[in-house]
Amino acid sequence: SAVISQKPSRDICQRGTSLTIQCQVDSQVTMMFWYRQQPGQSLTLIATANQGSEATYESGFVIDKFPISRPNLTFSTLTVSNMSPEDSSIYLCSVESSDYEQYFGPGTRLTVT
Amino acid sequence: QKEVEQNSGPLSVPEGAIASLNCTYSDRGSQSFFWYRQYSGKSPELIMFIYSNGDKEDGRFTAQLNKASQYVSLLIRDSQPSDSATYLCAVIHLLRQGGKLIFGQGTELSVKP
Repeated sequence: SAVISQKPSRDICQRGTSLTIQCQVDSQVTMMFWYRQQPGQSLTLIATANQGSEATYESGFVIDKFPISRPNLTFSTLTVSNMSPEDSSIYLCSVESSDYEQYFGPGTRLTVT
Repeated sequence: QKEVEQNSGPLSVPEGAIASLNCTYSDRGSQSFFWYRQYSGKSPELIMFIYSNGDKEDGRFTAQLNKASQYVSLLIRDSQPSDSATYLCAVIHLLRQGGKLIFGQGTELSVKP
């Protein structure tokens, strides 16, 4: 499986600011995804990051709040904009291998005060 | 009705016993099925996947799929305290583009020494 890294691993941010999370993969992958895991909850897909085109967002998530970049086949960023305490969560990127298998990065733990 | 349902647990088993984790899904078009293990504070780790009806074994783990009854299960033989974690069931729908995983809420497993 691919080796996935995320930066930062954790951050504490003030309300109203923005944070950009980076996801780097050690090999080229077609599909990259961004998930959110709120405290005590399961994973919810935010969007699919498409290389060379706009991200595809799931219901309840909008580009203005969670802009995503995918400049190449090994890298993506997710920005959490105009943060509020409700955005406190773990943000995970994942990549798809063969046969729809997905592997997750270590996650970014975000706390908004 | 949730798309993917799991008992939240906790499921407690003694060391050396068989742990049985169950998952049901609502959409008959679901095609691929995955089990992830998530230790507290860590990201999900893919441990098993299954696509066809029947059993699939990998070491101490056996995944069982019954599409007619719309359930998938994970058996862990000779359970160890290190197996204590939350186990997430995830499915992919046949017609959904990309690898959109739908996760259950997860079952917390506790293996007592």
